Amino acid sequence: AAGVIQSPRHLIKEKRETATLKCYPIPRHDTVYWYQQGPGQDPQFLISFYEKMQSDKGSIPDRFSAQQFSDYHSELNMSSLELGDSALYFCASSWGEGGYNSPLHFGNGTRLTVT
Amino acid sequence: KQEVTQIPAALSVPEGENLVLNCSFTDSAIYNLQWFRQDPGKGLTSLLLIQSSQREQTSGRLNASLDKSSGRSTLYIAASQPGDSATYLCAVINQAGTALIFGKGTTLSVSS
Repeated sequence: AAGVIQSPRHLIKEKRETATLKCYPIPRHDTVYWYQQGPGQDPQFLISFYEKMQSDKGSIPDRFSAQQFSDYHSELNMSSLELGDSALYFCASSWGEGGYNSPLHFGNGTRLTVT
Repeated sequence: KQEVTQIPAALSVPEGENLVLNCSFTDSAIYNLQWFRQDPGKGLTSLLLIQSSQREQTSGRLNASLDKSSGRSTLYIAASQPGDSATYLCAVINQAGTALIFGKGTTLSVSS
């Protein structure tokens, strides 16, 4: 079965650079979520989109922005990168807003390293 | 503010043992609770989802229970195997939001 696809798998950037992470949800899933997981930490919610509109917002820094496109894929844009942004970034998708009735399915993540 | 706690933080058992992982949450106004498995450096794999109106869900050797009024859930793993070694995360969705709120996980090690 098709899963959530994230690209790239690994990304190395320098401080103050920008990065774009991409997420392709499971077919027919209309909701996308972004999570950040620091080393040894639990995943922290950043932002979610339902039917291409922002649905909920968590601890996403102002330096980050995201959007969901007409084909339901999503991109997380990160600017003015800081060392503390180094983390695993997960995308998840579900059918229906909020994951109330269907489980969230996570991608394998993008490991971002800021040097 | 919803807080999710998982006990124990780490657990080591010999192969074949039955075990229980615990999860507690402070705000009982949840939509659902989900258990995930995470292998080192990997993504999260959904194991079981329990709606707030449900008491338990089963999948193979896994059984998850939910007591919403007391803010507790347990994940029961029967006849543990070395391949079960991973970090198990519990997460809830509040009625007031859409984001999963995670516990810090229980790291399980099953020795052969």
